[in-house]
Amino acid sequence: GNSVTQMEGPVTLSEEAFLTINCTYTATGYPSLFWYVQYPGEGLQLLLKATKADDKGSNKGFEATYRKETTSFHLEKGSVQVSDSAVYFCALSKAAGNKLTFGGGTRVLVKP
Amino acid sequence: GAVVSQHPSRVICKSGTSVKIECRSLDFQATTMFWYRQFPKQSLMLMATSNEGSKATYEQGVEKDKFLINHASLTLSTLTVTSAHPEDSSFYICSARVVAGGGTDTQYFGPGTRLTVL
Repeated sequence: GNSVTQMEGPVTLSEEAFLTINCTYTATGYPSLFWYVQYPGEGLQLLLKATKADDKGSNKGFEATYRKETTSFHLEKGSVQVSDSAVYFCALSKAAGNKLTFGGGTRVLVKP
Repeated sequence: GAVVSQHPSRVICKSGTSVKIECRSLDFQATTMFWYRQFPKQSLMLMATSNEGSKATYEQGVEKDKFLINHASLTLSTLTVTSAHPEDSSFYICSARVVAGGGTDTQYFGPGTRLTVL
């Protein structure tokens, strides 16, 4: 079946540091890949997505590239802010029915 | 665009009562909505797929008589937790599926409803 594995947190870093959250997946064919962010006490917000190999999703300074050869979709941001403190979820979906399979989530804490 | 709301945002109820949670797509129509459950510091678990005008499809292990889902219109799905017990306390999140031009398929999530059963 489909699965998503992402690095466990929490990840603690200082403001303006570089952030990488690793995400790898297992799925047949070519799933769509997503990163969602969840701020404290809130639901999930779509951060970025990529629908085919070598696509790069980007939003709010975050980027992730769909790597078919390594089945990965790592999230990066060059300079984090305190406001980026949240839980980040990597997810995939297959075309049929669009059920999302989530990774376990990575909590990120950015300190001033 | 693509805003999904949930009501209520927070509810506390007594054991044995039923609670209804609404999920609305505010500026678009959604033939498919999803209901998730999230335990503290854990990932989301898909409970069921709600299809407008037809019965919901439940994931394995989810009691359909316990978690009643109704998708009566293209903008509203409801989840009713029947005879709630403390173990049903959780964060319930809905999402609505959008299929855009070109076939891209995205889910947009509501803000969640925190249910506490005393």
